[in-house]
Amino acid sequence: DAKTTQPNSMESNEEEPVHLPCNHSTISGTDYIHWYRQLPSQGPEYVIHGLTSNVNNRMASLAIAEDRKSSTLILHRATLRDAAVYYCILRDVTGGGSNYKLTFGKGTLLTVNP
Amino acid sequence: NAGVTQTPKFQVLKTGQSMTLQCAQDMNHEYMSWYRQDPGMGLRLIHYSVGAGITDQGEVPNGYNVSRSTTEDFPLRLLSAAPSQTSVYFCASSFTGRLSSAFFGQGTRLTVV
Repeated sequence: DAKTTQPNSMESNEEEPVHLPCNHSTISGTDYIHWYRQLPSQGPEYVIHGLTSNVNNRMASLAIAEDRKSSTLILHRATLRDAAVYYCILRDVTGGGSNYKLTFGKGTLLTVNP
Repeated sequence: NAGVTQTPKFQVLKTGQSMTLQCAQDMNHEYMSWYRQDPGMGLRLIHYSVGAGITDQGEVPNGYNVSRSTTEDFPLRLLSAAPSQTSVYFCASSFTGRLSSAFFGQGTRLTVV
């Protein structure tokens, strides 16, 4: 499985933007970049995913480098409810079966200060 | 929609006991999976299923059994509980398309004493 590298922790202030980086230098052409987050005492929840182009949804934006070796999850205005562990995951479902799994690393613990 | 429902939320077992963790989804997802999460670690895949009647092992399958008789349900059985199985267990489901995202249950916190 292609690996991702994320900082262990980051801090932000409430209502400021947050840029969460992820390096994935061994990404293959069919890997999608997925982001999930896990709030305290809850299961992970989907945030966003993309292949090559930048993506936006109601929760966040995903900026993907032109060479796809890195990406950044952008929270435009952090709130206290955004405090969570954020996971960057590469997923290639080509071939089905075990490829549907999500391989979680340790993620980035985001602390949001009031 | 209920999404992915796990029961129970908490369970304490004695070493050697068996039990079944229940997982149900109402989204007609083909793919279902079980993960465990230990302190300071990411989620690790135990077993998964790509459809009714089809199951396979993940990264840490020993001591666990699964079956998938319906699309909706994917129970996880602990055959003979051990303290090393103390963990938080998460069930997840998704469609099998390339653009699919996974939905997770709220977790079952299991303690084996």
